[in-house]
Amino acid sequence: DAGVIQSPRHEVTEMGQEVTLRCKPISGHNSLFWYRQTMMRGLELLIYFNNNVPIDDSGMPEDRFSAKMPNASFSTLKIQPSEPRDSAVYFCASSAGAGRGEAFFGQGTRLTVV
Amino acid sequence: GNSVTQMEGPVTLSEEAFLTINCTYTATGYPSLFWYVQYPGEGLQLLLKATKADDKGSNKGFEATYRKETTSFHLEKGSVQVSDSAVYFCALSDGGNKLVFGAGTILRVKS
Repeated sequence: DAGVIQSPRHEVTEMGQEVTLRCKPISGHNSLFWYRQTMMRGLELLIYFNNNVPIDDSGMPEDRFSAKMPNASFSTLKIQPSEPRDSAVYFCASSAGAGRGEAFFGQGTRLTVV
Repeated sequence: GNSVTQMEGPVTLSEEAFLTINCTYTATGYPSLFWYVQYPGEGLQLLLKATKADDKGSNKGFEATYRKETTSFHLEKGSVQVSDSAVYFCALSDGGNKLVFGAGTILRVKS
């Protein structure tokens, strides 16, 4: 298995532009997580899905952020409009669920908003 | 709510030194406990885990024992290498699908 695949690896965009981050989870995993990592705030859980349904989006910072999971093999995190304070590394992770807890992470997308 | 507290870093050691990174947790019930490692420019990788009290997780020379009485899961390695330089995260799962992470501890190993 190729693991969790995220794209793009790096994204530089101007303030006010829309940004879409993509994730392909490990086949057969039924839970998917989006995290944001910054030096100041560490690793933050933004949202997680179970069987393609959003279960907990309490970590989404504001309405500019939205996430979708249209099927079991694809998810997107969108920021519209983007702001410089959104600059961070965004990670997607998936797990087999069933309370096992163990999650597998992608390599992340480094977002820079200028 | 559930939470994880790790010792602050960075931790700087010489090669072959003994490593301890402290981790304590707060949780209801009996969580599963994990250590993840993040190498520069990469995502987090599971290093080891323990699912019940007194279990010892081990991998690549690292060990951690689930201590319910002290609510701790300290990470240890007898002899660190330069290649162990990374960020280490302690985490717990309360039986749901969500992981709760500590703030991470930077480890730097000098040759």
